[in-house]
Amino acid sequence: AQKITQTQPGMFVQEKEAVTLDCTYDTSDPSYGLFWYKQPSSGEMIFLIYQGSYDQQNATEGRYSLNFQKARKSANLVISASQLGDSAMYFCAMREGEEYGNKLVFGAGTILRVKS
Amino acid sequence: AAGVIQSPRHLIKEKRETATLKCYPIPRHDTVYWYQQGPGQDPQFLISFYEKMQSDKGSIPDRFSAQQFSDYHSELNMSSLELGDSALYFCASSLGLRTLDIQYFGAGTRLSVL
Repeated sequence: AQKITQTQPGMFVQEKEAVTLDCTYDTSDPSYGLFWYKQPSSGEMIFLIYQGSYDQQNATEGRYSLNFQKARKSANLVISASQLGDSAMYFCAMREGEEYGNKLVFGAGTILRVKS
Repeated sequence: AAGVIQSPRHLIKEKRETATLKCYPIPRHDTVYWYQQGPGQDPQFLISFYEKMQSDKGSIPDRFSAQQFSDYHSELNMSSLELGDSALYFCASSLGLRTLDIQYFGAGTRLSVL
């Protein structure tokens, strides 16, 4: 089974509006972390935000927030007040407990295009 | 703030040649990870090192080897290159090996095998 599922291959959003990028995950490990990365067309991978499985509150980082619904196993990224520079590929990733190794497992990504 | 440095940024090789990719982690970071991202794909974990020892191994071909040196920089050595090795290779670093230790990525090395 896929560990990370991003069901939206591509999304459009109008500049200044908010957008939600979906991410669901699958794990039986009670200890895990969920991460979002941004990959612009230039190729670099930029860390945005993370959420730990035991965190009670949703993570926020500037215009980014993570809508964490543990029972549904979802960790959606919300970008508020979209800017043209937000156009990029967005990856959701999970890291399970140390006994599962050190790796991040990524979803297939969602391409976001911000329209002016 | 200093970031993860990867060199070279671009590399063109012929089939059956060898390549060496270098990674300089963020200062004080003790853990290095290597990922491979094929065209239009998500990054796939190759291998990681913590305090100069291999800490985890993913889908890394036997033709590839890596190590972390005393100054914490890491090198990924790739031999007998194949066309399918053409990809973007990322190095990431973190301070520690814990689940929530954030992996910060470098800009990547784009390898083209002709």
